[in-house]
Amino acid sequence: KNQVEQSPQSLIILEGKNCTLQCNYTVSPFSNLRWYKQDTGRGPVSLTIMTFSENTKSNGRYTATLDADTKQSSLHITASQLSDSASYICVVSPYTSGTYKYIFGTGTRLKVLA
Amino acid sequence: DTGVSQDPRHKITKRGQNVTFRCDPISEHNRLYWYRQTLGQGPEFLTYFQNEAQLEKSRLLSDRFSAERPKGSFSTLEIQRTEQGDSAMYLCASSGLTGGTQYFGPGTRLTVL
Repeated sequence: KNQVEQSPQSLIILEGKNCTLQCNYTVSPFSNLRWYKQDTGRGPVSLTIMTFSENTKSNGRYTATLDADTKQSSLHITASQLSDSASYICVVSPYTSGTYKYIFGTGTRLKVLA
Repeated sequence: DTGVSQDPRHKITKRGQNVTFRCDPISEHNRLYWYRQTLGQGPEFLTYFQNEAQLEKSRLLSDRFSAERPKGSFSTLEIQRTEQGDSAMYLCASSGLTGGTQYFGPGTRLTVL
């Protein structure tokens, strides 16, 4: 069964600190992996996308890594800000024609404190 | 704003009533998706349109749910005879024909009393 698991479920850090969120998946064959940020009560917003051949992708203070061999990805947030408080969702697309299907993780809820 | 829009943002209804939600995708996007998200969970796929054709429906979409995209532009999701278990955030997303990144709307929060 295609699954996406994220850890930790929730995380509290102080403003300015770094943190790393984890994503493990069993989706196979694999097309690409995305990280989305979802503010409370809002729709998810895409942060990064990586295909199986990419190891890392950055978007400002967000850096995603991918190890397709171990089926693991991480999202590293540098110098956290209060506005980083949100849920971060790992999304994996299986390899199918059209690659439209998204398989969502349950997310990591991050809280950044002043 | 040329992003995905959804209306209404919030809906409170009594059990047994019918509700209809609307989604306006990004104008050049051919694909439109509906998801349901409950608290603390990731979105769950409900259904998907390519232009006006509904190409896939999840088994989550019971016969009380119906979605349409009559002209290949906006879409509606109707829930008949609502139940308390239907309370959730209903998200709409759109993407281009090549199945690229899905862009999500702000969602419609449904509360069934």
